[in-house]
Amino acid sequence: GENVEQHPSTLSVQEGDSAVIKCTYSDSASNYFPWYKQELGKRPQLIIDIRSNVGEKKDQRIAVTLNKTAKHFSLHITETQPEDSAVYFCASGKGGTYKYIFGTGTRLKVLA
Amino acid sequence: GAGVSQSPRYKVAKRGQDVALRCDPISGHVSLFWYQQALGQGPEFLTYFQNEAQLDKSGLPSDRFFAERPEGSVSTLKIQRTQQEDSAVYLCASSLGADTQYFGPGTRLTVL
Repeated sequence: GENVEQHPSTLSVQEGDSAVIKCTYSDSASNYFPWYKQELGKRPQLIIDIRSNVGEKKDQRIAVTLNKTAKHFSLHITETQPEDSAVYFCASGKGGTYKYIFGTGTRLKVLA
Repeated sequence: GAGVSQSPRYKVAKRGQDVALRCDPISGHVSLFWYQQALGQGPEFLTYFQNEAQLDKSGLPSDRFFAERPEGSVSTLKIQRTQQEDSAVYLCASSLGADTQYFGPGTRLTVL
């Protein structure tokens, strides 16, 4: 069935360093890839998304890259801050319903 | 504006009881989704509505799970004869058509 693999499951970085989280999807028909940040006990919040017609998108310290051939997409956070500490989920969706398939999450810890 | 709201935020049920979880989507959002999030896992798709029509219920784990959205706005997820394995956070999301999904805070269900 459809699935999304996400790595690593945990990631610790020093404040100011960069963090990279990688996902691989299985359904070649997927065309929408959002990233959500979820703090403990809170709702998932969209931080950035990318559609299949572009290879990269950037929003301040956050960027996402997409390689459709390899079915890989990655989240890059630069100049990390303690408030970036949270669980990050990637997801894939496809046109029409945008039914999301989520990855298993990455717990990011930014050490001050 | 107001985001997606869910009630109750916490629910404790004895095994065998029926529960009803409510979702109020963002006003005007056509699409509504229910997800189940087990501890330490990513959300898993349960069902999808477009207005009042339930277009996809492929993720509902058993016939004990039932969802409705009779007037195309508020939705209720009902679980009959709850089992311990039903314990999870139930997330609702809404979107304007086939677009970015915005999540509610979730209902944490604990079945004793």
